[in-house]
Amino acid sequence: QVQLVQSGAEVKKPGASVKVSCKASGYTFTTYDINWVRQATGQGLEWMGWLNPNSGNTGYAQKFQGRVTMTRDTSTSTAYMELSSLRSEDTAVYYCASYVGYASWGQGTLVTVSS
Amino acid sequence: DIQMTQSPSSLSASVGDRVTISCRASQGISKYLVWFQQKPGKAPKSLIYAASSLQSGVPSKFSGSGSGTDFTLTISSLQPEDFATYYCQQYKSYPLTFGGGTKVEIK
Repeated sequence: QVQLVQSGAEVKKPGASVKVSCKASGYTFTTYDINWVRQATGQGLEWMGWLNPNSGNTGYAQKFQGRVTMTRDTSTSTAYMELSSLRSEDTAVYYCASYVGYASWGQGTLVTVSS
Repeated sequence: DIQMTQSPSSLSASVGDRVTISCRASQGISKYLVWFQQKPGKAPKSLIYAASSLQSGVPSKFSGSGSGTDFTLTISSLQPEDFATYYCQQYKSYPLTFGGGTKVEIK
């Protein structure tokens, strides 16, 4: 079955970077864009950007331009999202999402930014 | 950016009720709309895509309608497992944008 599995929770200090992985299975990885979405506790969903796994092309939300980098490794069907210069406001659950009608989501990765 | 406005932001309903949630786009998005259901501590689940197409495995009590700027999600007969927060999202153009969510609570 179509599945996205993300890496585990992270605790980072302000100013550090975090890299979250998203491993796809059950479909051809290069067929569908991977989107990254985050959600702070008790808040709504916030789109961060997209990655085309075939070409490697990306597009980022204005808010994250210069701080986010999305990459992929087609040999392992894995997408990555790296966020730098972390601040406390970046504490959130980060999700990857893909497939037809955004039918498949990862389980979420909690990133906590705290000194 | 396309703004997505959901209404109401919350509602209370009883088991068996018919529930309707609205979503309005700030500009026309044709039928490029998804509806998600999210339960606490879980990832969003796609219910409807292309405004009215039911995702595989989603019960037919969920239905979507609309095109252009006005969209509706309907739950025909609310069941205990349907109490959750619902979001709409447009995918007509980047940046993708979400509605603010509608929390469906038990009356």
